[in-house]
Amino acid sequence: GQNIDQPTEMTATEGAIVQINCTYQTSGFNGLFWYQQHAGEAPTFLSYNVLDGLEEKGRFSSFLSRSKGYSYLLLKELQMKDSASYLCAFLDSNYQLIWGAGTKLIIKP
Amino acid sequence: IAGITQAPTSQILAAGRRMTLRCTQDMRHNAMYWYRQDLGLGLRLIHYSNTAGTTGKGEVPDGYSVSRANTDDFPLTLASAVPSQTSVYFCASSARGDTGELFFGEGSRLTVL
Repeated sequence: GQNIDQPTEMTATEGAIVQINCTYQTSGFNGLFWYQQHAGEAPTFLSYNVLDGLEEKGRFSSFLSRSKGYSYLLLKELQMKDSASYLCAFLDSNYQLIWGAGTKLIIKP
Repeated sequence: IAGITQAPTSQILAAGRRMTLRCTQDMRHNAMYWYRQDLGLGLRLIHYSNTAGTTGKGEVPDGYSVSRANTDDFPLTLASAVPSQTSVYFCASSARGDTGELFFGEGSRLTVL
Protein backbone atom coordinates (compact mmCIF):
# COMPACT_ATOMS: atom_id res chain seq x y z
CA GLY A 1 0.00 0.00 0.00
CA GLN A 2 0.84 3.65 0.01
CA ASN A 3 0.98 6.03 2.92
CA ILE A 4 2.55 9.30 3.95
CA ASP A 5 3.01 10.76 7.40
CA GLN A 6 4.02 14.10 8.84
CA PRO A 7 3.60 15.70 12.28
CA THR A 8 0.30 17.43 12.91
CA GLU A 9 1.67 20.57 14.50
CA MET A 10 4.98 22.19 15.36
CA THR A 11 5.93 25.37 17.18
CA ALA A 12 9.06 27.45 16.61
CA THR A 13 10.44 30.85 17.48
CA GLU A 14 10.87 33.78 15.12
CA GLY A 15 14.43 33.89 13.77
CA ALA A 16 15.09 30.23 14.52
CA ILE A 17 15.33 27.14 12.29
CA VAL A 18 12.72 24.41 12.05
CA GLN A 19 12.74 21.04 10.31
CA ILE A 20 9.48 19.42 9.24
CA ASN A 21 9.77 15.70 8.56
CA CYS A 22 7.82 13.56 6.16
CA THR A 23 7.96 9.79 5.75
CA TYR A 24 6.31 7.81 3.01
CA GLN A 25 5.83 4.28 1.73
CA THR A 26 5.11 3.46 -1.87
CA SER A 27 6.06 0.91 -4.52
CA GLY A 28 6.33 3.56 -7.23
CA PHE A 29 7.88 6.98 -6.74
CA ASN A 30 8.24 9.93 -9.10
CA GLY A 31 9.18 12.76 -6.79
CA LEU A 32 8.49 14.43 -3.46
CA PHE A 33 6.80 17.80 -3.20
CA TRP A 34 6.31 20.41 -0.50
CA TYR A 35 3.54 22.98 -0.52
CA GLN A 36 2.75 25.88 1.79
CA GLN A 37 -0.83 26.67 2.73
CA HIS A 38 -1.79 29.71 4.76
CA ALA A 39 -5.04 29.45 6.70
CA GLY A 40 -8.02 29.94 4.43
CA GLU A 41 -5.90 30.06 1.30
CA ALA A 42 -4.83 27.76 -1.50
CA PRO A 43 -1.72 25.58 -1.35
CA THR A 44 1.29 26.97 -3.19
CA PHE A 45 4.22 24.97 -4.52
CA LEU A 46 7.48 25.24 -2.56
CA SER A 47 9.88 22.53 -3.67
CA TYR A 48 10.44 19.31 -5.58
CA ASN A 49 12.96 16.50 -5.02
CA VAL A 50 13.33 13.48 -7.24
CA LEU A 51 16.96 12.59 -6.50
CA ASP A 52 18.54 12.09 -3.10
CA GLY A 53 20.02 15.15 -1.50
CA LEU A 54 19.33 18.69 -0.54
CA GLU A 55 17.63 21.33 -2.70
CA GLU A 56 18.07 24.88 -1.46
CA LYS A 57 15.84 27.77 -2.36
CA GLY A 58 16.48 30.87 -0.30
CA ARG A 59 15.45 30.36 3.32
CA PHE A 60 13.80 27.04 2.45
CA SER A 61 15.58 23.76 1.75
CA SER A 62 14.18 20.31 1.09
CA PHE A 63 15.93 16.99 1.52
CA LEU A 64 15.13 13.55 0.16
CA SER A 65 16.33 10.03 0.93
CA ARG A 66 14.57 7.59 -1.38
CA SER A 67 16.04 4.51 0.31
CA LYS A 68 14.63 5.63 3.66
CA GLY A 69 11.34 7.00 2.33
CA TYR A 70 12.12 10.24 4.10
CA SER A 71 12.09 13.93 3.35
CA TYR A 72 12.33 17.09 5.37
CA LEU A 73 11.65 20.76 4.78
CA LEU A 74 14.06 23.10 6.52
CA LEU A 75 13.03 26.67 7.17
CA LYS A 76 15.72 29.11 8.29
CA GLU A 77 15.47 32.60 9.80
CA LEU A 78 11.83 32.06 10.58
CA GLN A 79 9.46 34.96 10.04
CA MET A 80 5.95 35.39 11.38
CA LYS A 81 4.63 35.07 7.81
CA ASP A 82 5.97 31.49 7.75
CA SER A 83 3.10 30.50 10.05
CA ALA A 84 1.18 28.14 7.80
CA SER A 85 0.53 24.50 7.10
CA TYR A 86 3.19 22.64 5.14
CA LEU A 87 1.96 19.80 2.96
CA CYS A 88 4.15 16.91 1.90
CA ALA A 89 3.16 14.84 -1.14
CA PHE A 90 4.73 12.22 -3.37
CA LEU A 91 4.00 11.43 -6.99
CA ASP A 92 3.17 7.76 -7.33
CA SER A 93 3.71 5.33 -10.20
CA ASN A 94 0.48 6.56 -11.85
CA TYR A 95 1.69 10.16 -11.59
CA GLN A 96 -0.94 11.00 -9.01
CA LEU A 97 -0.05 13.04 -5.95
CA ILE A 98 -0.54 11.35 -2.59
CA TRP A 99 -0.82 13.99 0.11
CA GLY A 100 0.03 14.06 3.78
CA ALA A 101 -2.44 15.74 6.15
CA GLY A 102 -0.12 18.70 6.58
CA THR A 103 1.96 20.13 9.43
CA LYS A 104 0.66 23.29 11.04
CA LEU A 105 3.64 25.48 11.91
CA ILE A 106 3.11 28.06 14.63
CA ILE A 107 5.72 30.81 14.91
CA LYS A 108 6.05 32.61 18.23
CA PRO A 109 7.77 35.99 18.64
CA ILE B 1 -3.47 38.10 -13.86
CA ALA B 2 -3.00 34.53 -15.05
CA GLY B 3 -4.26 31.79 -12.81
CA ILE B 4 -7.23 29.70 -11.82
CA THR B 5 -10.61 31.08 -10.93
CA GLN B 6 -13.17 29.15 -8.91
CA ALA B 7 -16.80 30.03 -8.30
CA PRO B 8 -18.58 30.28 -6.01
CA THR B 9 -16.14 30.95 -3.17
CA SER B 10 -18.71 29.83 -0.65
CA GLN B 11 -22.10 28.15 -0.83
CA ILE B 12 -24.67 26.66 1.51
CA LEU B 13 -27.15 24.28 -0.02
CA ALA B 14 -29.78 21.82 1.06
CA ALA B 15 -29.21 18.10 0.82
CA GLY B 16 -30.52 16.64 -2.40
CA ARG B 17 -29.86 19.76 -4.46
CA ARG B 18 -27.69 19.77 -7.55
CA MET B 19 -24.61 21.99 -7.48
CA THR B 20 -21.89 22.84 -9.99
CA LEU B 21 -18.57 24.30 -8.93
CA ARG B 22 -16.90 26.20 -11.72
CA CYS B 23 -13.19 26.29 -12.49
CA THR B 24 -11.45 28.23 -15.25
CA GLN B 25 -7.73 28.57 -15.95
CA ASP B 26 -5.97 30.83 -18.41
CA MET B 27 -2.51 29.27 -18.32
CA ARG B 28 -3.25 26.83 -21.15
CA HIS B 29 -2.40 23.96 -18.84
CA ASN B 30 -3.21 20.50 -20.13
CA ALA B 31 -4.07 18.86 -16.82
CA MET B 32 -6.72 19.89 -14.32
CA TYR B 33 -7.80 18.42 -10.99
CA TRP B 34 -10.49 18.63 -8.36
CA TYR B 35 -9.56 17.99 -4.73
CA ARG B 36 -11.44 18.14 -1.49
CA GLN B 37 -9.77 19.14 1.74
CA ASP B 38 -11.16 18.10 5.09
CA LEU B 39 -9.75 18.81 8.54
CA GLY B 40 -7.15 16.26 9.57
CA LEU B 41 -6.99 14.66 6.15
CA GLY B 42 -4.72 15.24 3.22
CA LEU B 43 -6.01 16.62 -0.04
CA ARG B 44 -8.03 13.91 -1.75
CA LEU B 45 -8.37 13.73 -5.51
CA ILE B 46 -11.93 13.57 -6.78
CA HIS B 47 -11.49 13.66 -10.56
CA TYR B 48 -8.82 14.73 -12.97
CA SER B 49 -8.30 15.46 -16.64
CA ASN B 50 -4.96 15.11 -18.38
CA THR B 51 -6.15 16.84 -21.52
CA ALA B 52 -9.29 18.36 -22.98
CA GLY B 53 -11.85 15.70 -23.81
CA THR B 54 -10.61 13.15 -21.25
CA THR B 55 -11.37 12.67 -17.56
CA GLY B 56 -10.44 10.14 -14.91
CA LYS B 57 -11.53 9.11 -11.44
CA GLY B 58 -9.46 9.93 -8.41
CA GLU B 59 -9.53 8.57 -4.88
CA VAL B 60 -13.05 9.76 -3.93
CA PRO B 61 -15.15 10.13 -7.11
CA ASP B 62 -18.52 8.86 -5.86
CA GLY B 63 -21.26 11.48 -5.96
CA TYR B 64 -19.28 13.78 -8.26
CA SER B 65 -18.98 14.19 -12.01
CA VAL B 66 -16.79 16.35 -14.24
CA SER B 67 -16.47 17.35 -17.87
CA ARG B 68 -13.62 18.84 -19.86
CA ALA B 69 -15.08 20.26 -23.06
CA ASN B 70 -12.13 22.62 -23.61
CA THR B 71 -8.70 23.38 -22.17
CA ASP B 72 -9.79 26.18 -19.87
CA ASP B 73 -12.86 24.90 -18.03
CA PHE B 74 -13.30 21.98 -15.65
CA PRO B 75 -16.62 22.11 -13.77
CA LEU B 76 -17.41 19.75 -10.89
CA THR B 77 -21.03 18.70 -10.39
CA LEU B 78 -22.68 17.22 -7.33
CA ALA B 79 -25.81 15.58 -8.71
CA SER B 80 -27.58 15.26 -5.35
CA ALA B 81 -25.62 16.80 -2.49
CA VAL B 82 -25.26 15.00 0.84
CA PRO B 83 -23.93 16.37 4.15
CA SER B 84 -20.72 14.31 3.84
CA GLN B 85 -19.85 16.45 0.83
CA THR B 86 -19.41 19.46 3.10
CA SER B 87 -15.81 20.41 2.45
CA VAL B 88 -13.45 22.88 0.86
CA TYR B 89 -13.00 22.11 -2.82
CA PHE B 90 -9.86 23.10 -4.69
CA CYS B 91 -9.43 23.13 -8.42
CA ALA B 92 -5.84 22.87 -9.65
CA SER B 93 -3.97 22.69 -12.92
CA SER B 94 -0.56 21.66 -14.16
CA ALA B 95 1.26 22.00 -17.45
CA ARG B 96 1.31 18.21 -17.85
CA GLY B 97 -0.40 15.27 -16.21
CA ASP B 98 2.88 13.72 -15.03
CA THR B 99 4.10 16.56 -12.85
CA GLY B 100 3.37 17.29 -9.21
CA GLU B 101 3.77 21.05 -9.56
CA LEU B 102 0.19 22.18 -9.32
CA PHE B 103 -1.37 25.63 -9.35
CA PHE B 104 -4.45 25.91 -7.15
CA GLY B 105 -7.54 28.05 -7.24
CA GLU B 106 -8.63 29.85 -4.09
CA GLY B 107 -11.10 27.17 -3.12
CA SER B 108 -14.87 26.81 -2.81
CA ARG B 109 -16.26 26.25 0.67
CA LEU B 110 -19.38 24.11 0.40
CA THR B 111 -21.77 23.37 3.24
CA VAL B 112 -24.53 20.82 2.71
CA LEU B 113 -27.31 20.89 5.29
